[in-house]
Amino acid sequence: NAGVMQNPRHLVRRRGQEARLRCSPMKGHSHVYWYRQLPEEGLKFMVYLQKENIIDESGMPKERFSAEFPKEGPSILRIQQVVRGDSAAYFCASSPYAGTVAGNGYTFGSGTRLTVV
Amino acid sequence: AQTVTQSQPEMSVQEAETVTLSCTYDTSESNYYLFWYKQPPSRQMILVIRQEAYKQQNATENRFSVNFQKAAKSFSLKISDSQLGDTAMYFCAFSESSNFGNEKLTFGTGTRLTIIP
Repeated sequence: NAGVMQNPRHLVRRRGQEARLRCSPMKGHSHVYWYRQLPEEGLKFMVYLQKENIIDESGMPKERFSAEFPKEGPSILRIQQVVRGDSAAYFCASSPYAGTVAGNGYTFGSGTRLTVV
Repeated sequence: AQTVTQSQPEMSVQEAETVTLSCTYDTSESNYYLFWYKQPPSRQMILVIRQEAYKQQNATENRFSVNFQKAAKSFSLKISDSQLGDTAMYFCAFSESSNFGNEKLTFGTGTRLTIIP
C-alpha cells in the first residue's frame, strides 16, 4: 500500500499563476481532507470531500481556492492567481471511514510545499 | 469553535530523559478525540497517540503516554527515555466525535522538541 500520495512535493509559481496540487488517497479511502500549514504554524483545515462531493469547505478562502474529488483520479486543490501569502505547505489526509472511529485509518500525505515568487 | 493551545514553542531535553509537552483545549462538546502528531523534518505527519474523551484511562503507546484531565481540558504528552529520533515538531489536535462523519482536525501551533545527545 503506497500510502497517501501528494504531488508535486515542491511547486514554485509566480504571482498571478495557477497552482494545482494533487492528492491520491490510500486504496479504499473515499474521504479526503485538505490542510494548509503556514510557516511555523500548525495545520489548518481547509476542506473535506467525499467522492464527487464537497462536504465541508468552511476553511477555504472565499476566492481563488477550489477543490474537487472526482469519481476517478486524485483530489485536486486549485489556487488561481496565486499571491505571496499562499506560500505554505499543503497537506491532504485520507480516511476509509465517515467518523465511526476518529483517527483510525486517518493517514496524511507528505505535503506539497508551494512557494510563490 | 474549538481551540487548541500549546504554550511551549520550543523544548529541549537530554537523551534518555523524560519530557512532557503541554496542551490545553476549549470545547463545549462532551465527547471528542484528542491526538498528538509528530512532524519530523521530512514533513510527514505521524500519529503518536490518540485519546477518546469518554475513556478515563490515559492512553499509552510504548514510550509515549498522555495525562488527560477532562475537567481541566488538558492533554499533555509524556515521552520517556527520549531518543534522538524523537526530535521533531509535536502537534496536539482535536476532533469532534459526532460531526456527521466529518473528521476534520483542529491543531495547536506546535512544540519544537530537540533531543540533545
